[in-house]
Amino acid sequence: GENVEQHPSTLSVQEGDSAVIKCTYSDSASNYFPWYKQELGKRPQLIIDIRSNVGEKKDQRIAVTLNKTAKHFSLHITETQPEDSAVYFCQPPHLNYGGSQGNLIFGKGTKLSVKP
Amino acid sequence: KAGVTQTPRYLIKTRGQQVTLSCSPISGHRSVSWYQQTPGQGLQFLFEYFSETQRNKGNFPGRFSGRQFSNSRSEMNVSTLELGDSALYLCASSRGDRDTLEQYFGPGTRLTVT
Repeated sequence: GENVEQHPSTLSVQEGDSAVIKCTYSDSASNYFPWYKQELGKRPQLIIDIRSNVGEKKDQRIAVTLNKTAKHFSLHITETQPEDSAVYFCQPPHLNYGGSQGNLIFGKGTKLSVKP
Repeated sequence: KAGVTQTPRYLIKTRGQQVTLSCSPISGHRSVSWYQQTPGQGLQFLFEYFSETQRNKGNFPGRFSGRQFSNSRSEMNVSTLELGDSALYLCASSRGDRDTLEQYFGPGTRLTVT
């Protein structure tokens, strides 16, 4: 079943600082680990993802790291900017109550505020 | 290519009524998932349809149902509406195969139950 923890629920940083959001999961039902960003009033959009055959992936100022042994993956944002202010959701692998596999449930989200 | 579309964008219903929401996925996408988004509960997974079959289901009561048509368009129905059903309903499409799992979201339908 589902057991997803995303921390912290809110995060406030100064512009230029780094931000780290962590997602812990229990079911190893998939090898896909994405992060989505939802700006205020907009739809969620994928910003970065990683497959379980690698431990880290970077895309400019954002990165995702994966620790399969500890069952958590983290989103790292460096040199934060005001436009990074949004809610970030992880989407861990899970086993549906019926036993089906998927990447369909989301963490509860982290509201990131970047102060100029 | 065109993105995911949802209709209607806004809806006001009375408690006890039923409602049907529609989602048109990106061309070529066979998976459509539905989510309920509320300020306190984040993105709650309702169900996923793939090739006209419900493939995954969340923990919502039977009042919430859905279906998918042969062109991959999907509808979601909520019967006997309750005040707590007021939310933003998002659908997301993906190709649905194991190698392409990225989801693309529609703009959502804002449902208000009075």
